[in-house]
Amino acid sequence: GNSVTQMEGPVTLSEEAFLTINCTYTATGYPSLFWYVQYPGEGLQLLLKATKADDKGSNKGFEATYRKETTSFHLEKGSVQVSDSAVYFCALWRNTGNQFYFGTGTSLTVIP
Amino acid sequence: DAGITQSPRHKVTETGTPVTLRCHQTENHRYMYWYRQDPGHGLRLIHYSYGVKDTDKGEVSDGYSVSRSKTEDFLLTLESATSSQTSVYFCAISDGGLSSYEQYFGPGTRLTVT
Repeated sequence: GNSVTQMEGPVTLSEEAFLTINCTYTATGYPSLFWYVQYPGEGLQLLLKATKADDKGSNKGFEATYRKETTSFHLEKGSVQVSDSAVYFCALWRNTGNQFYFGTGTSLTVIP
Repeated sequence: DAGITQSPRHKVTETGTPVTLRCHQTENHRYMYWYRQDPGHGLRLIHYSYGVKDTDKGEVSDGYSVSRSKTEDFLLTLESATSSQTSVYFCAISDGGLSSYEQYFGPGTRLTVT
């Protein structure tokens, strides 16, 4: 079946530290991959996406590369800010049934 | 921001009572979804709709029903609420096309069943 596994949180970093949040997936065929971000008290917002192998999604300094050989889509940012504190969800989309499959979320807290 | 509203935003109800949550969109998107969010589980799909009167079950549909009589409204009903249905409920919409399948989420409804 389809599933997403992401690293357990919570993650606490100092401002300007390097961020990596691991995400691996299981899916048949060629899914599209996404990172969503949820700020406190809000719904999820699309952060970035990649639709095929070796694609790199990027937005707001965040990047993730679709690695089919390792079935991974790790989220990275070179220098985090306090405003990046949120919960991050990795997700995959399969055309069949037009359904998303979400990971459990990773909570990030950035301290000044 | 996509035009998605949810009502109510917060609700406390007693076990055994019926509850209906409403999702309203102004984007004319074809697909609408109901998820629940619980610690350690992320988001899990309850039901979704791919058109007016067209709905299907998701991963955790037991105890829930949905209806969609208009493109813009998608209702989630808990026929007889239980404490296990205490959760945050999110509605999402999608255009569903091959190039625009991104989901846009509403602000959520926090439901507490006592």
